[in-house]
Order: sequence, then C-alpha cells, then structure tokens
Amino acid sequence: EVQLVQSGAELKKPGESLKISCTGSGYSFTNYWIGWVRQMPGKGLEWMGLIYPGDSDTRYGPSFRGQVTISVDKANNIAYLQWSSLQASDTAVYYCVRRNVVAVANVYYYYGIDVWGRGTTVTVSS
Amino acid sequence: VTTQSPLSLTVAPGEPASISCRSSQSLLHRDGKNYLDWYLQRPGQSPQLLMYLSSTRASGVPDRFSGSGSGTDFTLKISRVEAEDAGVYYCMAALQTPGTFGHGTKVEIK
Repeated sequence: EVQLVQSGAELKKPGESLKISCTGSGYSFTNYWIGWVRQMPGKGLEWMGLIYPGDSDTRYGPSFRGQVTISVDKANNIAYLQWSSLQASDTAVYYCVRRNVVAVANVYYYYGIDVWGRGTTVTVSS
Repeated sequence: VTTQSPLSLTVAPGEPASISCRSSQSLLHRDGKNYLDWYLQRPGQSPQLLMYLSSTRASGVPDRFSGSGSGTDFTLKISRVEAEDAGVYYCMAALQTPGTFGHGTKVEIK
C-alpha cells in the first residue's frame, strides 16, 4: 500500500525551531515529488513547496520561500519541513503529499496529487 | 490566481450540483492537456483527489462526478448528490510547480 506517514502533533513556543517528517512507503520514493500543504485553522489549502527526492530539486511557493526549508533523506524515504523560528501564525495542519508524475521516454504523464498524509498539527503558543 | 464559485451551496440528496473554477492564466499545456485538479476534503479528513487533467476521474471516484472545461474555465459536476459528498471542494491549478489551490466551495447536504 502506498502511504505517507507523518510525525505527530507538536506544541511549540514562538521563536523555537521545528522539523516535522513524512515517511513514504509502498512505492519508489525517489521517483515522485513530495510536497507540503498548509491548512490554517478554518482556512483553505496552500502549497508550501515540493522536493524531488531523486536530485533534491526543491520548489517553494512564493509565500513560503525563505520562511521554511524542505529537505529529504532519500536513503530512508523521509521528507522534512522545518522552521528556524516559529511564529504564532505558523499554527496549522501540515499535509505531506505525493505529486504523481510519471516519465516514459521523456514524456511526462500527470496523475494529480494522489497520496495525502494524515497531517501534522503544529500549535505555536506562548 | 484561482477563483471558485460559489463559496458554498446546499443540495438535497439526489439533486445535481455544480462548482466553477476560473484561473487567471490558461492551464492548457502544449501537450494539449488542461492541468486542473479537483479535491474533496470531508470533515475531519485529509483532502483526496477527485479529478485530474480537468476531466479524468481518480481511482475509485464514482461516475456521478464529472469534470469539464479548458483554458481558464472549469466545472465540477455531481449528477446526483449523496450524503457522503459533503465537504469542501478545491480546484487546483497544476500547470506550475507548486500549483495554486482555489479557496474552496463548501457543499452541505440538506
């Protein structure tokens, strides 16, 4: 079974650092983009960015560039999202997702964001 | 920018429903495909993929769901709404990496 398993809920104070994780299983981890999507309380979905584990190519959404760091440990099939200094406005649920794009003879076939983790709730409060 | 309408709608079981999504830029790629997805987030759950490339249903999605549109204007239709269809529907422009989500349409069942 293809799945993304996310790390547990976090309660942090403003100014603290944090690194949450997402472990992929049941598929070739290095061959699919892994992304992070934020959902603030009562709000919609926002793309934060994606990383391609095969070569660590990373793309950030314009609102998140410089605010967070996305990284990967491809040996262990883990993607990370980290903050160096949290703010109360970072309180949200963070979803790890798989972007399904398959390359066949230099032709790319897109199949959507087909796998979603259960989400990691991050609460930042003094 | 990706704009959805309406923001919410209430539908009786068995009735049809329709949600629109408009993109500020064309989502038609040179490969002839429209890079527009639809997702459903049921209450308390993670979002799930309903439709990709505008009109292709994801695995396991009932055929009462259909997607259409090209370029900048897209529509998701539910032919006969069921209770399990309640939730927030998001369109997502997928031409660029990362994409852009619409603000969502909340569907409630009478």
